[in-house]
Amino acid sequence: DTGVSQDPRHKITKRGQNVTFRCDPISEHNRLYWYRQTLGQGPEFLTYFQNEAQLEKSRLLSDRFSAERPKGSFSTLEIQRTEQGDSAMYLCADGTDFKETQYFGPGTRLLVL
Amino acid sequence: AQKVTQAQTEISVVEKEDVTLDCVYETRDTTYYLFWYKQPPSGELVFLIRRNSFDEQNEISGRYSWNFQKSTSSFNFTITASQVVDSAVYFCALSLKLQNYGGSQGNLIFGKGTKLSVKP
Repeated sequence: DTGVSQDPRHKITKRGQNVTFRCDPISEHNRLYWYRQTLGQGPEFLTYFQNEAQLEKSRLLSDRFSAERPKGSFSTLEIQRTEQGDSAMYLCADGTDFKETQYFGPGTRLLVL
Repeated sequence: AQKVTQAQTEISVVEKEDVTLDCVYETRDTTYYLFWYKQPPSGELVFLIRRNSFDEQNEISGRYSWNFQKSTSSFNFTITASQVVDSAVYFCALSLKLQNYGGSQGNLIFGKGTKLSVKP
């Protein structure tokens, strides 16, 4: 049990390109959350999975964003046609039905040029 | 609407000083959880503490202590005898029970954070 991992840790892309991030939660943790954090702000909720079901989406999750969690294990977050405003840290967190605490991964820092 | 306010944007102290980070929250729910996370310069959010809305007991863990007061909707965090390694951004967060999903925990609502600098 080495904690939540995220890949890549850093991503630089040009405006208009698509990017995909991956999150690997702790294996027995059935809940998975994605957040976005811009400079000087607290993390903001994007979406939540319970097992493979996506149960909640924030209004921040525009139609250019899509998240999946096939088989209830790892999750991917894809951003299509990136914009400079997408530059942020993307954080993944996991949890369980029995613990009300979310544990965060190291994040993926995205820079859109 | 739910909201978390951390009025102190930045605090600077000298090592060994005590420092209190303020957190005020807003919610109409009676069941909720409050959290503190630490974000060092490396960027990873580190969980520090969780309290549920029915437990107003204060808690102490080493040099850290937390004061939860429902009457003032506050959940303040005190570091005693601060050290340089305490330098980080500290976030207070609120989560609510999702009534439609068997009462499971919802997403976290974060404050804007307080940047603590501890100088030697």
